[in-house]
Amino acid sequence: GQNIDQPTEMTATEGAIVQINCTYQTSGFNGLFWYQQHAGEAPTFLSYNVLDGLEEKGRFSSFLSRSKGYSYLLLKELQMKDSASYLCAVLDSNYQLIWGAGTKLIIKP
Amino acid sequence: GAVVSQHPSWVICKSGTSVKIECRSLDFQATTMFWYRQFPKQSLMLMATSNEGSKATYEQGVEKDKFLINHASLTLSTLTVTSAHPEDSSFYICSARDSGAGDAYGQYFGPGTRLTVT
Repeated sequence: GQNIDQPTEMTATEGAIVQINCTYQTSGFNGLFWYQQHAGEAPTFLSYNVLDGLEEKGRFSSFLSRSKGYSYLLLKELQMKDSASYLCAVLDSNYQLIWGAGTKLIIKP
Repeated sequence: GAVVSQHPSWVICKSGTSVKIECRSLDFQATTMFWYRQFPKQSLMLMATSNEGSKATYEQGVEKDKFLINHASLTLSTLTVTSAHPEDSSFYICSARDSGAGDAYGQYFGPGTRLTVT
């Protein structure tokens, strides 16, 4: 079966750095996405990785290792507004998005 | 670009009635749209995949006669919840894939519709 694992909840301090991990086992791979979802709102796109390596975009970076079935989202200089759920999703061989359960990130002052 | 709208943003209806939710891609054409449901503190659950001009493909466990999907044009898909029950109360989110984006560069989400059935 298809499976995506990410931690349920993480806590970090304002101004710090946090890494949210995601491991996946899917039928085929056409890329991995990270989305941010604030409570009561729809997800918004953060990043897309299809090749191994690190993609940096401002305070957020996303890393992918296809051989290990592993990705992480790195958030730097944390701000209170970064408190949200972060969803990892993999595009499988049928170009269907397989969703992880999401990681709720709590930022403390 | 790549804006998806949903209407209504929230709706309250009585048990037994039907509710229609619209999903529109405002600045791109979407041959494929997706309907998700999300219960509180849970992840997104794909309900169905809607393809323009053809029947929707429903995920296992989703009743196609209860959740009617119509994708009549390249910019509009509708989800009708028929004979709504309180357990249908949820956050319904649509997303659209940009047909002109080449290799399917992810999905663009609408803002969601919060349905409460009393």
